Amino acid sequence: QVQLQGSGPGLVKPSQTLSLTCTVSGGSISSGSFYWSWIRQPAGKGLEWIGRIYNSGSTNYNPSLKSRVTISVDTSKNQFSLKLSSVTAADTAVYYCARVLASNSRGYYMDVWGKGTTVTVSS
Amino acid sequence: QSVLTQPPSVSGAPGQRVTISCTGSSSNIGAGYDVHWYQQLPGTAPKLLMYGYSNRPSGVPDRFSGSKSGTSASLAITGLQAEDEADYYCQSYDSSLSGYVFGTGTKVTVL
Repeated sequence: QVQLQGSGPGLVKPSQTLSLTCTVSGGSISSGSFYWSWIRQPAGKGLEWIGRIYNSGSTNYNPSLKSRVTISVDTSKNQFSLKLSSVTAADTAVYYCARVLASNSRGYYMDVWGKGTTVTVSS
Repeated sequence: QSVLTQPPSVSGAPGQRVTISCTGSSSNIGAGYDVHWYQQLPGTAPKLLMYGYSNRPSGVPDRFSGSKSGTSASLAITGLQAEDEADYYCQSYDSSLSGYVFGTGTKVTVL
């Protein structure tokens, strides 16, 4: 069964770029009609969708973060990555990677989640 | 900036039935996009609980059920158990944002 594992620095300085990678195991990131997504959750708060990528490289981003976000995919390594630039303390959160598939009717849902990577923005 | 609204908390005694509402708008639930539900136990990642309003992934007990009405959706838990104590989030797609949106989240407490 497919598993996702996020990795990256747990501490990032303000104004720098946050970089995380999600490694997919148990299946190919290129197979099937899946999107791959990043979601974050500040401590004690709700979930916020950051963006998604298809294995072709096509992306969509949350409008509120779009100017600072880049999501990319490396099919040779079975990984997809997140870069968030010009970070501030408000970007401190647990970052989750997830697999996304189309609903039977209309829409999309996340059926497999990584365990989450805690990122703190602080000098 | 959640666009789906949920009650902050609901509670019930063991064995009781509780429901969680998820209210959206004409650009998400009202536009016909499906609603999905996630359960997040303390300190863990969210887990898919219900997709397409009322479909349960393998392993999810049939005590959980979902429904839709207009621009809202609901998750019901019947026969409430101590292990159901968690945060629950609804999620849909929003055409005006061209992306996924989550609900504000509801904490379920078993009394």
